[in-house]
Amino acid sequence: DAKTTQPTSMDCAEGRAANLPCNHSTISGNEYVYWYRQIHSQGPQYIIHGLKNNETNEMASLIITEDRKSSTLILPHATLRDTAVYYCILRGSGNTPLVFGKGTRLSVIA
Amino acid sequence: NAGVTQTPKFRILKIGQSMTLQCTQDMNHNYMYWYRQDPGMGLKLIYYSVGAGITDKGEVPNGYNVSRSTTEDFPLRLELAAPSQTSVYFCASSEHALAGDNRDTQYFGPGTRLTVL
Repeated sequence: DAKTTQPTSMDCAEGRAANLPCNHSTISGNEYVYWYRQIHSQGPQYIIHGLKNNETNEMASLIITEDRKSSTLILPHATLRDTAVYYCILRGSGNTPLVFGKGTRLSVIA
Repeated sequence: NAGVTQTPKFRILKIGQSMTLQCTQDMNHNYMYWYRQDPGMGLKLIYYSVGAGITDKGEVPNGYNVSRSTTEDFPLRLELAAPSQTSVYFCASSEHALAGDNRDTQYFGPGTRLTVL
């Protein structure tokens, strides 16, 4: 059973911010929100993760709602190379595996 | 630093044949993983290892075997290949596996595309 819900696909104009939503209404208190992406024919790549607070790194920002039932991954200035499938994944504390759903296919358009 | 390497890149097998998919990492990571990805789907965990000599089953282990004799290598063995094993296989490694620890990032190889006819 999927623990996260993501739109199947999204488009974004090059240079604009890409905002990718993820719903996780049944998230547990000890579950982290992880984002990975998979560029066509490549292995997945880690982007960012968070528990409660918003997080930012050189690739993206992660905004988690106060009730933690949803989150948004933000790519501030999308480029054509950001075209990929983006996976939102919940992981419990401890040694728990990554469980990939179908993700969101983001197409960045020139 | 090559990261995670996988061989071969492509392979076609006949039903009933066997093969080994090779995976090597040069980051001295303790944890290694094998996933498969069917068309249009997310990745599913086949087997994982928390260190040399220790392996455990993931979500879809049937039809596969693994071994971990060294830290660097984590080969995946297919015995009696079946059409249902047609997939792209990804190997990954991580320094640690505790969620929330920044050292739990999984680094993936480029994948092996396997077709069983």
